[in-house]
Amino acid sequence: EAGVAQSPRYKIIEKRQSVAFWCNPISGHATLYWYQQILGQGPKLLIQFQNNGVVDDSQLPKDRFSAERLKGVDSTLKIQPAKLEDSAVYLCASSLSRGDSYEQYFGPGTRLTVT
Amino acid sequence: GENVEQHPSTLSVQEGDSAVIKCTYSDSASNYFPWYKQELGKGPQLIIDIRSNVGEKKDQRIAVTLNKTAKHFSLHITETQPEDSAVYFCAARRYNFNKFYFGSGTKLNVKP
Repeated sequence: EAGVAQSPRYKIIEKRQSVAFWCNPISGHATLYWYQQILGQGPKLLIQFQNNGVVDDSQLPKDRFSAERLKGVDSTLKIQPAKLEDSAVYLCASSLSRGDSYEQYFGPGTRLTVT
Repeated sequence: GENVEQHPSTLSVQEGDSAVIKCTYSDSASNYFPWYKQELGKGPQLIIDIRSNVGEKKDQRIAVTLNKTAKHFSLHITETQPEDSAVYFCAARRYNFNKFYFGSGTKLNVKP
């Protein structure tokens, strides 16, 4: 079974520029999560999708971050404009979320450096 | 919301020794507790999990215990090996929300 795919793996941009990350979840997984992981910390949820609807985006800085999940499969996370404090690893995860099956699987992450 | 605390933040053990990492949670409605291993440059990998209706689960050298009354759960690694060196995260899932809250991580160093 293929895992969660993310691209790019690394990105370096200057502050005030924009950037987009892509995620392809495990086939059939209804729930998709985007997390921000700052060095030395645990993952922090940015946004959670159930199929193509947003379940929770309470921690998403909506003035600069946006995300969409078209057709309930792939998802993109965008930052515009980026700030220095956005430097982090952005992790995508997915979960089947059916019955009592709620294991969550992560992709390799995208390491963003804002200079 | 849920609050998950994890201790210790760093743990250094000799190869062959056991390692124990502990987490506490605040929301009694949490019902699923996974543990993840994160190696440098990689995403977190699910290594073991436990549900609220079970007190202990074991998989080869790793085990997890859950005390629902005290709201804490622990990861036990026996016969540690250098390849166990990584950062370990605990998490708690809130019932009916499918939302996960993570601890701050434990950096385990297994010395050969």
